[in-house]
Amino acid sequence: DSGVTQTPKHLITATGQRVTLRCSPRSGDLSVYWYQQSLDQGLQFLIQYYNGEERAKGNILERFSAQQFPDLHSELNLSSLELGDSALYFCASSASLSGGPIYQETQYFGPGTRLLVL
Amino acid sequence: DQQVKQNSPSLSVQEGRISILNCDYTNSMFDYFLWYKKYPAEGPTFLISISSIKDKNEDGRFTVFLNKSAKHLSLHIVPSQPGDSAVYFCAASPSNTGKLIFGQGTTLQVKP
Repeated sequence: DSGVTQTPKHLITATGQRVTLRCSPRSGDLSVYWYQQSLDQGLQFLIQYYNGEERAKGNILERFSAQQFPDLHSELNLSSLELGDSALYFCASSASLSGGPIYQETQYFGPGTRLLVL
Repeated sequence: DQQVKQNSPSLSVQEGRISILNCDYTNSMFDYFLWYKKYPAEGPTFLISISSIKDKNEDGRFTVFLNKSAKHLSLHIVPSQPGDSAVYFCAASPSNTGKLIFGQGTTLQVKP
């Protein structure tokens, strides 16, 4: 158990809909990362938040957005869903206690949310 | 453009023998490398990491070797156990960023 929790575990929805995935980081961790794992793309970095602020962006679609709340939990919002958005979505967290540049930190992953868009 | 490559999709070894998983990268800005293990329907589990200032790091049965000039790293598991059967991902992090770039994974099967 990494200490990172994600809900829901499974989500089935229809094209055009909007869903919200939730992540609680390990106790004390300030950084949260979101990754997408699809069959053909492997694990892809989407976005990182540090202490409530966006820190880095990867291959995240404009239809997707995220935020990190004052209690440090994070939500990933996926809207106007398409069939190709079906994937595993993982959240990870790291300590980032220094407040400086994120440097050589280990990320600990949650169990993931499996999204199926029909 | 895949910056981190695991060229062997699968590897099968006998219990008790050494497993060697390989990873190549192209970006010289990567300075931190990690190996994760993943079971189906679970999140990646951190195994071991290495900074670019080192060429070897050991943790129990797991050793990671880094060859910066060749832009190559490898994970050695000795001795291999059936419980090691999983998908292994190599990941790299560019300087001063938190994001991880993952390889496509290698499925390891350890036969009893």
